[in-house]
Parts: sequence; C-alpha cells; structure tokens
Amino acid sequence: NAGVTQTPKFRILKIGQSMTLQCTQDMNHNYMYWYRQDPGMGLKLIYYSVGAGITDKGEVPNGYNVSRSTTEDFPLRLELAAPSQTSVYFCASRQGLRDEQYFGPGTRLTVT
Amino acid sequence: EDKVVQSPLSLVVHEGDTVTLNCSYEVTNFRSLLWYKQEKKAPTFLFMLTSSGIEKKSGRLSSILDKKELFSILNITATQTGDSAVYLCAVEAAGTASKLTFGTGTRLQVTL
Repeated sequence: NAGVTQTPKFRILKIGQSMTLQCTQDMNHNYMYWYRQDPGMGLKLIYYSVGAGITDKGEVPNGYNVSRSTTEDFPLRLELAAPSQTSVYFCASRQGLRDEQYFGPGTRLTVT
Repeated sequence: EDKVVQSPLSLVVHEGDTVTLNCSYEVTNFRSLLWYKQEKKAPTFLFMLTSSGIEKKSGRLSSILDKKELFSILNITATQTGDSAVYLCAVEAAGTASKLTFGTGTRLQVTL
C-alpha cells in the first residue's frame, strides 16, 4: 500500500492563478480531510468528506473547493490564489471514526 | 469553538533527560485526544486516548488523559536526538466526521 499520496510536492503560484492539489489513498478509507499548516502553527481543517459524493466545510474553507467523485481521490481546488494561501497542505484519511488519521507527505504552496 | 493549548511552545533538553509535554483542551462532545509527532513532513500518529483508554505507553513514550481536568500529558523518558520534532496534540469531537482540532505544537530539541 502506498497509503496517502499527494502531488505536487512543491508549487509556486502567482496571485490570481488557479491549481488543483491532488490526494489519493489506496486503503479504501471512507473519511478524507484537507488541512493547511501555516509556519509555527497547528493544522487547520479546510474541507472533509465522509464518502464518495459527500463533502463539507471545515474551519477555513474560503478560497477552496473540493470534490469526491471516487473513494480514492479527494482533490483540493484553489480558484484565485492569494498570498494568504501560502502554506503547507496535508491530506489525510481514516477508515472509521475510531481509527487514526493517516497523513500524506504534504504540498508546499507559495503564492507570490 | 473547540480549543487546544499546548505548553511549552518549545524546549531544549540534553539526551537522556525526561520531558513532559502538556495539552489542555476545550471541546464539545469529546470523543478522543490524539498525539502526533511531526518531523519535517507529515504528522505521524503516536497515541489515541479515549474515555475507555486514558493511559497509553509505547517504549519510552507514554501519555495520560485527565477527562475531569481536561488535559493530557506526553512523557518521553531517556530522550534521544531522534526524538527531536514538533509534537502535536489534537482533540476529536463526536460528530459526522469527527473533525480534529489541533494545538500549535511543542517543538522539542534534544541535544548531545
């Protein structure tokens, strides 16, 4: 099992550009999450999904969108990149509510 | 709003020392408290503490949960340089997806 994979590892965007951060898990987990981590801070939840076709907002959803068309994939879309979105983005998944979350390696995004 | 506060923010110890990291929390409908270790990349799971499991131990690491006083501690004995990392505490609220709220972390540096 590869676990949770994320692409790209690094990306630099200009203000106003758009991009999609990819997240894939091969553990057949129902629950998937997107977090952002700013320097020196903990992780903040952006969006989450409890299964294919079901998504919901987390603590900091503004400026982002998600979709969950399959169990495996949970892409995060930035439509109009802003400097405030400079951060490290982590995707995570878990099988059930009593299980731990497994994290991907992260995507470091810089918006200039 | 759920809240997690960790202390100290950072500390430096010598190899072989014992350290105690603190985590206090406020959460509606508490389900569990989790500890993660974060080196340069993604957080890796250490412990999950729940109402039915308030004390956990793995090698030199141990953790307890005090549900009455709303805090947890993470102990590391005989520290090694490989223990150098940021230690994150998170609380999980019961709900649709059991979202995690993270603290800002404690940065531990173990020197020779």
